[in-house]
Amino acid sequence: KQEVTQIPAALSVPEGENLVLNCSFTDSAIYNLQWFRQDPGKGLTSLLLIQSSQREQTSGRLNASLDKSSGRSTLYIAASQPGDSATYLCAVWGDYKLSFGAGTTVTVRA
Amino acid sequence: DGGITQSPKYLFRKEGQNVTLSCEQNLNHDAMYWYRQDPGQGLRLIYYSQIVNDFQKGDIAEGYSVSREKKESFPLTVTSAQKNPTAFYLCASRTSGGGNEQFFGPGTRLTVL
Repeated sequence: KQEVTQIPAALSVPEGENLVLNCSFTDSAIYNLQWFRQDPGKGLTSLLLIQSSQREQTSGRLNASLDKSSGRSTLYIAASQPGDSATYLCAVWGDYKLSFGAGTTVTVRA
Repeated sequence: DGGITQSPKYLFRKEGQNVTLSCEQNLNHDAMYWYRQDPGQGLRLIYYSQIVNDFQKGDIAEGYSVSREKKESFPLTVTSAQKNPTAFYLCASRTSGGGNEQFFGPGTRLTVL
């Protein structure tokens, strides 16, 4: 059974600092990995999708890397802003479904 | 404007009642999913459907039922058999082919009184 872990569970940084969010998974036989953002009481917004054959994916200030062999992915957010405050979830696609981590809640202090 | 809609946003249920949560998408996706989210936990899969008139149980299907009569619609019924139904329910759909990117609706918060 796929287990997805996100550490830390919560993170608080001053505005302008770079964010590094970690995701690990136990079964490397994945098709892709997806990073989401969730604001309180809202649905999930897809940020980045990395296919299993890719090493990284970039969108604006966001960059996500994938190392399948070690079962790790990292989401980097450059020059954080208060609007980046949210919960970030990673999920891996294997078999017929996505398996989710519990998320990292980020607070960016102005 | 393409997307996934869920209704209602908030739902209150008395114990012993069945309630149905609506999920509609106009993204032309074949696959649709229902998840449950509890505080401090990752999303857990309830049911999924890869094509019209077909659906499969996920990890926590007990006490729930679904139907998939139209490509655009995938309603979820929370029955009185569900022991602890208070949660945030999220519907999703997925692109086909090599992408397999999943998109989510805004969610329905169900509270049992």
